[in-house]
Amino acid sequence: DTGVSQDPRHKITKRGQNVTFRCDPISEHNRLYWYRQTLGQGPEFLTYFQNEAQLEKSRLLSDRFSAERPKGSFSTLEIQRTEQGDSAMYLCASKAYRENTEAFFGQGTRLTVV
Amino acid sequence: LAKTTQPISMDSYEGQEVNITCSHNNIATNDYITWYQQFPSQGPRFIIQGYKTKVTNEVASLFIPADRKSSTLSLPRVSLSDTAVYYCLVGDGRGGSNYKLTFGKGTLLTVNP
Repeated sequence: DTGVSQDPRHKITKRGQNVTFRCDPISEHNRLYWYRQTLGQGPEFLTYFQNEAQLEKSRLLSDRFSAERPKGSFSTLEIQRTEQGDSAMYLCASKAYRENTEAFFGQGTRLTVV
Repeated sequence: LAKTTQPISMDSYEGQEVNITCSHNNIATNDYITWYQQFPSQGPRFIIQGYKTKVTNEVASLFIPADRKSSTLSLPRVSLSDTAVYYCLVGDGRGGSNYKLTFGKGTLLTVNP
């Protein structure tokens, strides 16, 4: 297993377009997280899944954002009607549901809205 | 979730030991303390986690006093490649349903030659 994989690594889109990012977690991890990170800030929690169930969503996740994790495997994060303020690094992490285990992060998808 | 406070930045030189302290006055009984490292344009990477006293691995040591209201990440003999942002996180490490990672702004460590 090569770790958490995110695709694409970079995305440039025009304002108003929809974008979708994909995250493939480490295979035995049943927890999956999405974060957003802007320059100079720490990652901000967006949402997380345990298997296919989306257990928590941040208030940062407006109705233009939706995340899914069908069958509890890979996950997608879609942003509809992108705005310039959506430009950020979107990070995915996965974690096993066991005590004292760390979360593993992907390399992120850098979104630029022009 | 317990809030953490750490210095915005630190400077060091190659070969020195670096200690980064994090305050978490409202830490809960079930909370663990975890440190992550992040290089530019990469996702954070786990360094070390502990609950109390001292934890050591091949990368770092984590010192936690008895009251657990603070913790210190110790990096021995840093090199230029240790220049990164270091985040201190506090959360329920038991894997319970409320567990999530809450990041602050972190500490930018710059190692100079």
